[in-house]
Parts: sequence; C-alpha cells; structure tokens
Amino acid sequence: DTGVSQNPRHKITKRGQNVTFRCDPISEHNRLYWYRQTLGQGPEFLTYFQNEAQLEKSRLLSDRFSAERPKGSFSTLEIQRTEQGDSAMYLCASSLEVGSTEAFFGQGTRLTVV
Amino acid sequence: GNSVTQMEGPVTLSEEAFLTINCTYTATGYPSLFWYVQYPGEGLQLLLKATKADDKGSNKGFEATYRKETTSFHLEKGSVQVSDSAVYFCALSDDKIIFGKGTRLHILP
Repeated sequence: DTGVSQNPRHKITKRGQNVTFRCDPISEHNRLYWYRQTLGQGPEFLTYFQNEAQLEKSRLLSDRFSAERPKGSFSTLEIQRTEQGDSAMYLCASSLEVGSTEAFFGQGTRLTVV
Repeated sequence: GNSVTQMEGPVTLSEEAFLTINCTYTATGYPSLFWYVQYPGEGLQLLLKATKADDKGSNKGFEATYRKETTSFHLEKGSVQVSDSAVYFCALSDDKIIFGKGTRLHILP
C-alpha cells in the first residue's frame, strides 16, 4: 500500500446519469475526506469519515450527493442525476488523526458531465 | 466558520529570486497550519506544517512561521528554482482541513 488510490481517474457521463467513485485510503488511516476542486480554486470540503461514521457533510452538498464507508476502509461517493455544474476533480484524502497529522491525497477522479 | 485567505496569483519570478506567498486564517481555537503543493499533473502533497504558535515549518528550502498574533502563516523561500513552479495551497485543520484558493507560481529561468 503506497498511497491513496482513486478510481476511475477519469469519468465522462451524460447529464442525468448517476456516477460512483471509489477511494481506497492508506490502510491504517481512520480518517477519510472527500473534496471537490474546480479549475483555479482550492479543494472544497465535501464530507469526512472517522472509520465508518460520517462525521460531517458540507451544507454546499446537495441531496444528490451521498458517500459511504461501510467497513471503515474504502469509501464511495455517488452523484445522482448529474448536472453540468458537477464537472470537477473529486479528491479523496486520508489521515491517521486530526489536527497535527497531515492528510495524504489521491490523484483524484476527473468528472466531465456532457 | 474557519477560513483561509491567501494572495492571488499568478506570481511570476526569476530563478534565484526571493519568494513570499501570504496566508492569513480565521479560526476558533488553535488549528494546525499547512502548506500543500500541487505540481503540474500531480496530486496534492504536504510541503510543510506547524502545529502551534511560533512553530516554524520547513522543507525543501521553504519556511513558514505560525503567527498567532497576526493569524498568519506566510510561505517564504530565499532562492526559488524553476522546479518550484506549482500551485501552493495554505490550509488549516482543527478537525476537517480547510484550504485557501491556491497561488500559482511561475519561475522563469
């Protein structure tokens, strides 16, 4: 296990379709974060997990977005009824604990909604 | 809520110039502060961090000091190289990690 892995790396979908992304964190990390990044902007917080518990979900996240981490290991992020405004890079990160410990990021999944 | 503000780019410098990228934060409590870097075509990676007031983080010739009195964490490097060209993000963490918008740095040979 050499880092955070995200799949797929790229996804093109038609508006209205559902998409699901997967994130495999570093194995011993109990924190897992999802972010969205658009061109020229910093990563925008979406949600995070402590083991299997989802601790917070951004108010910016519509009901079309849902994330799970069923066994406290990998996580999935699903977007239902995609819209063109959902086009972005979706980043996953993991860490051992809050505060002083750094988060390690995956390469991201680039979503294009056409 | 917590937030991070950093200077807008792009910043263009000649090789061996002195670099400063300003970052200020708003937070309740005492967050940890970070600088992350994103090189072209690569993922975000931690550049340096500081966990309490007056701490200095350093890595690869970059430095930043946690200044509680001015709520700042400015990034500095004495002599930049072409290979430092990247996007730099200031961030804070007291639970989840909050990022600034990023500053694109171009170093000219």
